[in-house]
Amino acid sequence: NAGVTQTPKFQVLKTGQSMTLQCAQDMNHNSMYWYRQDPGMGLRLIYYSASEGTTDKGEVPNGYNVSRLNKREFSLRLESAAPSQTSVYFCASSGQQGARWETQYFGPGTRLLVL
Amino acid sequence: AQSVTQLDSHVSVSEGTPVLLRCNYSSSYSPSLFWYVQHPNKGLQLLLKYTSAATLVKGINGFEAEFKKSETSFHLTKPSAHMSDAAEYFCVVSDNQGGKLIFGQGTELSVKP
Repeated sequence: NAGVTQTPKFQVLKTGQSMTLQCAQDMNHNSMYWYRQDPGMGLRLIYYSASEGTTDKGEVPNGYNVSRLNKREFSLRLESAAPSQTSVYFCASSGQQGARWETQYFGPGTRLLVL
Repeated sequence: AQSVTQLDSHVSVSEGTPVLLRCNYSSSYSPSLFWYVQHPNKGLQLLLKYTSAATLVKGINGFEAEFKKSETSFHLTKPSAHMSDAAEYFCVVSDNQGGKLIFGQGTELSVKP
């Protein structure tokens, strides 16, 4: 039982390049989330998927797209990377759709540097 | 709208002394509140959560937090700090829609020998 896994662990991009961050969970969770973490700002929600087949914008969605490929996998795509997207990206999942008391389980993170 | 304020960006304690990390929240309904810990270059781990049951919540590694509605606070405490407690701690409130989490800015805890 690996929990939440993310690939890659670290990536360097040039401005304008594209890439996809991958996330998978093996806990049969319904909801999945993408956050970014910047110094002094905590984590901010980019996009989330309350259930398979649905996605919604979070607090900071500009410059990103997501795909809920199936119940296990939720990917985050940067179509044209910008230096402002340099950050640490975390994927998370939780069991019950939309329940605010549900614990979210986090992956180890992806460190992205955009030059 | 829900929000969380962590009152200290950095707290430093000596090993064996008590830990207090302060958190105030704002919520228009009965909130669910969480404390997460992040060790350097690691993901986030749940310490404890409040979900409208007992107001004193016990978590892992000897941490506990008390929900005080009148003060809109959810402070994290531990009686005796250990070197391994050095990490960043996040107070979090859950949004009423979709289970989205709203994070505080984080408190970095340093533990001196």
